[in-house]
This record gives sequence, structure tokens and C-alpha cells, in this order.
Amino acid sequence: QQQVKQSPQSLIVQKGGISIINCAYENTAFDYFPWYQQFPGKGPALLIAIRPDVSEKKEGRFTISFNKSAKQFSLHIMDSQPGDSATYFCAASIYSGTYKYIFGTGTRLKVLA
Amino acid sequence: DTGVSQDPRHKITKRGQNVTFRCDPISEHNRLYWYRQTLGQGPEFLTYFQNEAQLEKSRLLSDRFSAERPKGSFSTLEIQRTEQGDSAMYLCASSSGGVRGIFNYEQYFGPGTRLTVT
Repeated sequence: QQQVKQSPQSLIVQKGGISIINCAYENTAFDYFPWYQQFPGKGPALLIAIRPDVSEKKEGRFTISFNKSAKQFSLHIMDSQPGDSATYFCAASIYSGTYKYIFGTGTRLKVLA
Repeated sequence: DTGVSQDPRHKITKRGQNVTFRCDPISEHNRLYWYRQTLGQGPEFLTYFQNEAQLEKSRLLSDRFSAERPKGSFSTLEIQRTEQGDSAMYLCASSSGGVRGIFNYEQYFGPGTRLTVT
């Protein structure tokens, strides 16, 4: 019940295309859902995040769509660029004395030039 | 650069040796987290500090692991009698306590320390 399931494991997109990564969770107590971008050899960098009282959040080319009833959320990268090639992790945060993150298994995105 | 620094960036050690990693969080952040990330996986929570108090430890944190955060500033993570299974990236993250009662959920990660146990 504490897991966050992420798909696909890898994704190849043409430059200018839309990249879509999906995550699903079971525990309805999760109340914060960030997405992180990680380049090889680097730590994860916060990209965008959403609370469950909002169905969509957009920041530049990145959009999170949130479906509370389905317990799913997704990251959309519009106009994907080769520089977006990285591993993306979704996460969910649950309060149990502290807000620790539970991460998905990651999606390796490659954007072809 | 998030402002969270970790040292060293890479550590190679022989099985059975002790290693210690350091994390310097963003200066005004009172919460500090340690995560472990193995190849092809997402980070997994290890432990958490609020100021100098260690408030939670994951069951992943065996007795060979110890973490400290003296004076609520930097933190150290020590692994005693390292095993090959300890090989991973150890990530530190920090977050602020929030402003005027509004909790700040955002965690900012450092570059990590990659540990290889031979």
C-alpha cells in the first residue's frame, strides 16, 4: 500500500513530441506528489509538484495531471527536447511524523534529435 | 546546484571497512533526510532529522548504520563493517519547516555520494 508504481520503464520520443509518464498509488493518505529529474551521476532535481486538491498544474513545458478517484497522476513534457533526456521519478509523500517521500522506480527518457 | 552539498562524491572501500559521509544542507533548512538509491531504482528513505533530533529511521537502516546531526547543521552517515550490498548512491536532502504554519513539502537533494564496496 506504500508503493508508487511508475510506467513506462523507458521511453523514446522524437524532438518536439510529447512525453507522458504515469504513476499510480494505493494509499489515499498520500497528500503531495512531486516529480524529480535526474541526470547520470547527479542527485534528483525537483521539477514540479502537485497536491491532491488540484487536478492539473503547469510550469512551462511540464504539466502534472492528477486523477484523485483513479489514484493516478502523470507528467507531460510538451515539445520534448534532447536536453530533457534523463530519468524521471514520481514520488508521493505521506505524513508519519514527517513528510518522507516514496519514489517510483523511474522512467528513462530519451529524446531523439 | 540546489545548495545541498555532499562529501565525498565517490568512495571506494573494501568490505569490512567503516565509511563516513557528510551532508551540508541549505543553511536555513531545519529538516534533513538521507536516502539510498541503487542502480535503476528510485531513492529509498533511510532516516530524517528535524534540527538535531533524529525522528525516524527506516527498517532499511541496519545497526551498522548510524547518522548524526550535531547542532542541527551538517549531518554525517556512518556505515560500519561495510558489505557489498551497501554499494549504492547515498543521497541527502533538506527542506525548510515552512513559513507561518504553512508546511513546505519540497525536498532539495544533493549530488550524492556513490559508495562502491569491493
